[in-house]
Amino acid sequence: DSGVTQTPKHLITATGQRVTLRCSPRSGDLSVYWYQQSLDQGLQFLIQYYNGEERAKGNILERFSAQQFPDLHSELNLSSLELGDSALYFCASSVAHSYEQYFGPGTRLTVT
Amino acid sequence: AQSVTQLDSQVPVFEEAPVELRCNYSSSVSVYLFWYVQYPNQGLQLLLKYLSGSTLVKGINGFEAEFNKSQTSFHLRKPSVHISDTAEYFCAVSDRGGTSYGKLTFGQGTILTVHP
Repeated sequence: DSGVTQTPKHLITATGQRVTLRCSPRSGDLSVYWYQQSLDQGLQFLIQYYNGEERAKGNILERFSAQQFPDLHSELNLSSLELGDSALYFCASSVAHSYEQYFGPGTRLTVT
Repeated sequence: AQSVTQLDSQVPVFEEAPVELRCNYSSSVSVYLFWYVQYPNQGLQLLLKYLSGSTLVKGINGFEAEFNKSQTSFHLRKPSVHISDTAEYFCAVSDRGGTSYGKLTFGQGTILTVHP
């Protein structure tokens, strides 16, 4: 158990819908990272927050957004969902801009 | 920009045999290097990391890796594998500085299957 929690574990929704994925980092970790894992793209970095502020952006679509709240939990919002958004979404946390990230168990999103 | 290439998508081995999973990277800046393992239906677990110092790093579960700067490689090895090592292994890099703030760039993964 990494100490990072993600909810829900599984999510099935229809195209065009909007979903919110939630992540609680390890106690004391200020940085939260979101990654997408799909069969065709592999593991890709989406976005990073540090103590409530966005710090780095990767291959994140405009339909996707994220935020980190004062209690340091983070949410990833995915809207206007398409079939191709079906993937595993991982959250990871680290102490600061640390080299060592701890991953949550992931949320499996299926868009039908 | 960085990239990571894992040279084998699948590696089958017999139990108690040695194994090497190969990883090459490309980066214009100095990097940190990592190996993660993903068991079925689970998240990623850090096996080992290279930050600085000795180029041979030891990790959990008897794995080790060697950083070779001239060949830009970071191959993962284990002298004797167990059935329980069956999993997917990911090599990853992170910038030491710059604006990436620690984001990881992953290879495509290597599925290690250990046969009895």
